[in-house]
Amino acid sequence: GQSLEQPSEVTAVEGAIVQINCTYQTSGFYGLSWYQQHDGGAPTFLSYNGLDGLEETGRFSSFLSRSDSYGYLLLQELQMKDSASYFCAVAGGFKTIFGAGTRLFVKA
Amino acid sequence: EAEVAQSPRYKITEKSQAVAFWCDPISGHATLYWYRQILGQGPELLVQFQDESVVDDSQLPKDRFSAERLKGVDSTLKIQPAELGDSAMYLCASSSMGQGETQYFGPGTRLLVL
Repeated sequence: GQSLEQPSEVTAVEGAIVQINCTYQTSGFYGLSWYQQHDGGAPTFLSYNGLDGLEETGRFSSFLSRSDSYGYLLLQELQMKDSASYFCAVAGGFKTIFGAGTRLFVKA
Repeated sequence: EAEVAQSPRYKITEKSQAVAFWCDPISGHATLYWYRQILGQGPELLVQFQDESVVDDSQLPKDRFSAERLKGVDSTLKIQPAELGDSAMYLCASSSMGQGETQYFGPGTRLLVL
């Protein structure tokens, strides 16, 4: 089967750096994705790792270690608008499974 | 910029009634997904289409839920009869091939069953 674990909540201050971890179990791994979802909105794609290493997109970076079945999303220079839920999602075979989400609270 | 369209945005119904949701994916996207998201949880895949064929409906409650994508373009998800526990956000997403690449989500339909 497939399962993902990520922290339920993270709190950080504006301007800081925060890391959201994700560990997974899956059969037939394609890659690890990250999505952001604001309250009342739809998930939007942030980042994808198909290979080991770091992917950087502006203030957001994502890391994958396939041997450890582990990845993380790194958010730098936090802004109030980054307060949202962040989901890791694992693609295995033709199926993508989403984690339960990490709710990020950014404080002034 | 191309978007996934969904309607209605909100639906209130009474239990035992039938409801239907519609989704129009991004043009050219072969893969279409229907998810259910309960408040505070991640999206749960209900059904995945590759063109007009179902490739995964293992989590679809088939006694009351049905989904179709007759011409491999837009799709309809139906619930009959609706139950109180069906209250949730129903999200549609599409992707080009369905092999782990980016999924583009529509705005969702928020269903409330009374």
